[in-house]
Amino acid sequence: DSGVTQTPKHLITATGQRVTLRCSPRSGDLSVYWYQQSLDQGLQFLIQYYNGEERAKGNILERFSAQQFPDLHSELNLSSLELGDSALYFCASSVTPGGGPSGNTIYFGEGSWLTVV
Amino acid sequence: AQKITQTQPGMFVQEKEAVTLDCTYDTSDPSYGLFWYKQPSSGEMIFLIYQGSYDQQNATEGRYSLNFQKARKSANLVISASQLGDSAMYFCATGVDGGTSYGKLTFGQGTILTVHP
Repeated sequence: DSGVTQTPKHLITATGQRVTLRCSPRSGDLSVYWYQQSLDQGLQFLIQYYNGEERAKGNILERFSAQQFPDLHSELNLSSLELGDSALYFCASSVTPGGGPSGNTIYFGEGSWLTVV
Repeated sequence: AQKITQTQPGMFVQEKEAVTLDCTYDTSDPSYGLFWYKQPSSGEMIFLIYQGSYDQQNATEGRYSLNFQKARKSANLVISASQLGDSAMYFCATGVDGGTSYGKLTFGQGTILTVHP
């Protein structure tokens, strides 16, 4: 158990719909990261938040948005869903955004399987 | 820009034997980290081991060790005394070691390891 909690574990929804994926980071971790894993694109970084503020953006579509709340949990909102959005979405967390030479481990949650039909 | 290359789509090993999973990387960051994750068929991403680019010694975590050769830009994972439960997909990843982009990992395509009894 990594300590990163993601809900829901599985989600099936129709095209055009909107879903929200939730993530609770490990206790004490201030940084939250979202990743998407699909068969054709592999594992891709989407976005990072640190203590409520957006810190880095990757290949995140404009239809997707995220936020981190004062209690440090994060939500990834996916709207106008398309078949190609079907993927495993991971949340990860670390203590700080910068680990220095010794680094900080980045722990992943179990993921949320999204199927768009 | 960062790139991870895992040239072995699949590897087979006999139980109790050691196996090496290859990973080469390319990065323009002066300070970076290298990660290995295990993804069993259930989907979760399990952190295995981390190596910082400035770490003088190769990282070890139980049966896992990382053979870091900076000049060759390689970060191979060595699993000793393989167990049936080691059968999974293994991902190598790299990211900036510190700073606001920490956690923005670039992953390889993965290697499927199968352990035979």
